[in-house]
Amino acid sequence: EAGVAQSPRYKIIEKRQSVAFWCNPISGHATLYWYQQILGQGPKLLIQFQNNGVVDDSQLPKDRFSAERLKGVDSTLKIQPAKLEDSAVYLCASSPRLAGARGDTQYFGPGTRLTVL
Amino acid sequence: AQTVTQSQPEMSVQEAETVTLSCTYDTSENNYYLFWYKQPPSRQMILVIRQEAYKQQNATENRFSVNFQKAAKSFSLKISDSQLGDTAMYFCAFMNANTDKLIFGTGTRLQVFP
Repeated sequence: EAGVAQSPRYKIIEKRQSVAFWCNPISGHATLYWYQQILGQGPKLLIQFQNNGVVDDSQLPKDRFSAERLKGVDSTLKIQPAKLEDSAVYLCASSPRLAGARGDTQYFGPGTRLTVL
Repeated sequence: AQTVTQSQPEMSVQEAETVTLSCTYDTSENNYYLFWYKQPPSRQMILVIRQEAYKQQNATENRFSVNFQKAAKSFSLKISDSQLGDTAMYFCAFMNANTDKLIFGTGTRLQVFP
């Protein structure tokens, strides 16, 4: 079974530029998550999708971050304009979200390391 | 709000020995899930072990086991017969049963020496 795919693996940009990350979850997984992991910290949830609908985006800085999940499969996360403090690893995860089930295991991709200069 | 605390920023252990990583959490919920994830230098978070709060029996997964103390809100990870491939960051995480939101601790860097 193929895992969660993410691209690119690395990205270096200058502040005020824009950047986009792509995620392809495990086939059949209904729920998709984007996390931000700043160096020395644990991942922090930015946004959660259930199929193509947003479940939780309370931690997403909406003035500069946006995300979409068209057709309930792939997802993109965009930052525009980027700030120095956006330097982090951006992790995508998916879970099967069985009907009525809770505590689903989340499966993570390899992440994208973003450096903002 | 739920919080997860990992008080050991770094740990080291010799190959084949046993090491225990600590984790405490704070919640007023009664139904939740706890996880340990491993993050090697490749950055990919890999599930090590999962525990349902309503189960009293401690979860085990081969060389990995947990000591779940619900009253003390403690969830430590024991790695037996440590291997060089266990070298990684280990994150403890909490999930409220009513949401899918994972709340992570700050991690413990484990180094296994030959």
